[in-house]
Amino acid sequence: AQSVAQPEDQVNVAEGNPLTVKCTYSVSGNPYLFWYVQYPNRGLQFLLKYITGDNLVKGSYGFEAEFNKSQTSFHLKKPSALVSDSALYFCAAPLTSGNTGKLIFGQGTTLQVKP
Amino acid sequence: GAVVSQHPSRVICKSGTSVKIECRSLDFQATTMFWYRQFPKQSLMLMATSNEGSKATYEQGVEKDKFLINHASLTLSTLTVTSAHPEDSSFYICSATGGGAYEQYFGPGTRLTVT
Repeated sequence: AQSVAQPEDQVNVAEGNPLTVKCTYSVSGNPYLFWYVQYPNRGLQFLLKYITGDNLVKGSYGFEAEFNKSQTSFHLKKPSALVSDSALYFCAAPLTSGNTGKLIFGQGTTLQVKP
Repeated sequence: GAVVSQHPSRVICKSGTSVKIECRSLDFQATTMFWYRQFPKQSLMLMATSNEGSKATYEQGVEKDKFLINHASLTLSTLTVTSAHPEDSSFYICSATGGGAYEQYFGPGTRLTVT
């Protein structure tokens, strides 16, 4: 069965330090992978996606993610964290069976950036 | 581009009443819309998939007679919570896709509180 996992419920990092939010996947075929961010009481905002091509994907707000096929991972990274990056982050992948357009979401990781 | 709105953003209703939530794609035609429910600091739970002009497809465990979904046009889907109870209190989020590359665009969410 397809799955997306975010092994960390929460990540704490000091402002200015690099951050990594982890995501691993188990999908059939060539994966499409997404990262979304959710601020309190708001919907999800698209950050970036991997479809094909370069393994390093650059997205919004200075975020990037590295697709690693051998490790089945798609970790979200940022070289220098901001307090305003504090939010809930979701990794997601489309459900490939049935062409429904559905997304499978990870459990979510709360990023806390402290000044 | 690709903006999705939801209305209302917040609603409080009495137990036993019905509440309608609207989801609109503002600058694209949404062939498919999705309705999610989210509990605090948890991932999104897909409730149903809504295709324009056809009946919604509900996920297992979601009561279709309680959560009525109508997708009357390519830019509007509505979710009606009928005979609401306090346990229906939650954050409801819709998303829409225009059919390209699985990417979903999310609305800002609706906070429903049933008293």
